[in-house]
Amino acid sequence: DAEITQSPRHKITETGRQVTLACHQTWNHNNMFWYRQDLGHGLRLIHYSYGVQDTNKGEVSDGYSVSRSNTEDLPLTLESAASSQTSVYFCASSVGSGGEETQYFGPGTRLLVL
Amino acid sequence: AQSVTQLDSQVPVFEEAPVELRCNYSSSVSVYLFWYVQYPNQGLQLLLKYLSGSTLVKGINGFEAEFNKSQTSFHLRKPSVHISDTAEYFCAVSNTGGFKTIFGAGTRLFVKA
Repeated sequence: DAEITQSPRHKITETGRQVTLACHQTWNHNNMFWYRQDLGHGLRLIHYSYGVQDTNKGEVSDGYSVSRSNTEDLPLTLESAASSQTSVYFCASSVGSGGEETQYFGPGTRLLVL
Repeated sequence: AQSVTQLDSQVPVFEEAPVELRCNYSSSVSVYLFWYVQYPNQGLQLLLKYLSGSTLVKGINGFEAEFNKSQTSFHLRKPSVHISDTAEYFCAVSNTGGFKTIFGAGTRLFVKA
């Protein structure tokens, strides 16, 4: 069955370190998204991609970067981790371009920045 | 700009009672509306969505929602909840022709025995 996976599921790091969170989907979806989930804020969009070599900033992109070298993967990099980036991170994917698409979510990565 | 407001952050309810989770949105263009559910320690999954046509949308696990354009609302309902419905529920909106989806802050539903 097609799926979307994230790794690691849990991560503890120190302030200032570079961290990369992996996202891999086997749906062959063209769209991929990264969100962070914080209490009281719901899901906020960090970065998104409509296809290979395409990346775009979301509403909370400062301190994060992504690259899309193939259809299946969209790794999220925290350039220099900060305590404010402690959160749960979700990757999602969808297919199409009309706005009506269902997003399929990974299980999430819990990141703690000390 | 689009926005989504979920009017209740937490909703406690007894098992077998009815429940309504409220969602209001704002948008200057036509929209698509979604409800997603997040069970503990899992990602989100789609409950139902409104694209067009009938304003009453039925989803999985006995949930339904009604699109009300005049009140810009998309409230989620279930006539009789189960313990297993305990989860966080997110309302979301996207505009026609757009890629991005805006999520509300979520409503935590607690079903008590």
